[in-house]
Amino acid sequence: GESVGLHLPTLSVQEGDNSIINCAYSNSASDYFIWYKQESGKGPQFIIDIRSNMDKRQGQRVTVLLNKTVKHLSLQIAATQPGDSAVYFCAERESRGSFTYGNNRLAFGKGNQVVVIP
Amino acid sequence: DGGITQSPKYLFRKEGQNVTLSCEQNLNHDAMYWYRQDPGQGLRLIYYSQIVNDFQKGDIAEGYSVSREKKESFPLTVTSAQKNPTAFYLCASSETSASSYEQYFGPGTRLTVT
Repeated sequence: GESVGLHLPTLSVQEGDNSIINCAYSNSASDYFIWYKQESGKGPQFIIDIRSNMDKRQGQRVTVLLNKTVKHLSLQIAATQPGDSAVYFCAERESRGSFTYGNNRLAFGKGNQVVVIP
Repeated sequence: DGGITQSPKYLFRKEGQNVTLSCEQNLNHDAMYWYRQDPGQGLRLIYYSQIVNDFQKGDIAEGYSVSREKKESFPLTVTSAQKNPTAFYLCASSETSASSYEQYFGPGTRLTVT
């Protein structure tokens, strides 16, 4: 079937190198951000998330950095492996103050294709 | 195993026919979502439901319909009114509390209409 990664910006990385995937968001009121990984023909999988009261959060081999001043989010993958080849999406949740109906919606970016070269 | 299931994985239909995609979750999540994904594009929200017996249109609801009669199930019908139904369809669920906004995704259904 047609790949979800078709026509997306592509990052080619040598196995073992670090990868950095960038994402610009539009809404300064967004208070939560999340990164997903999607392999071809599968559903997105959670990688890491961060709330707007933080600048950095680390997971296993992954780090998310949030720069609210320029509305920029990045995902760093350490020691990239062939299994990291996928499309990576960022998503943001717009803050709407106190809980209101529908405020768990996420707005997704188009994604970035990462290709790991063995 | 807890999670979200979608069936079938591949679906083929003739133009003019309605088709229903299944989504079931056993995560006890209140909220469920349907997205459409086309090559080179992000996920676009079709419909979502925050509670049983209620649902809201997303950004591209035209030509689609849903129901939420049970907490566990959120089927999506692609009607003949949808002009470009061929796509990859993803279902997701989440809690509705502020403790977590993560959406959990199913494996997707690839619909081809000819």
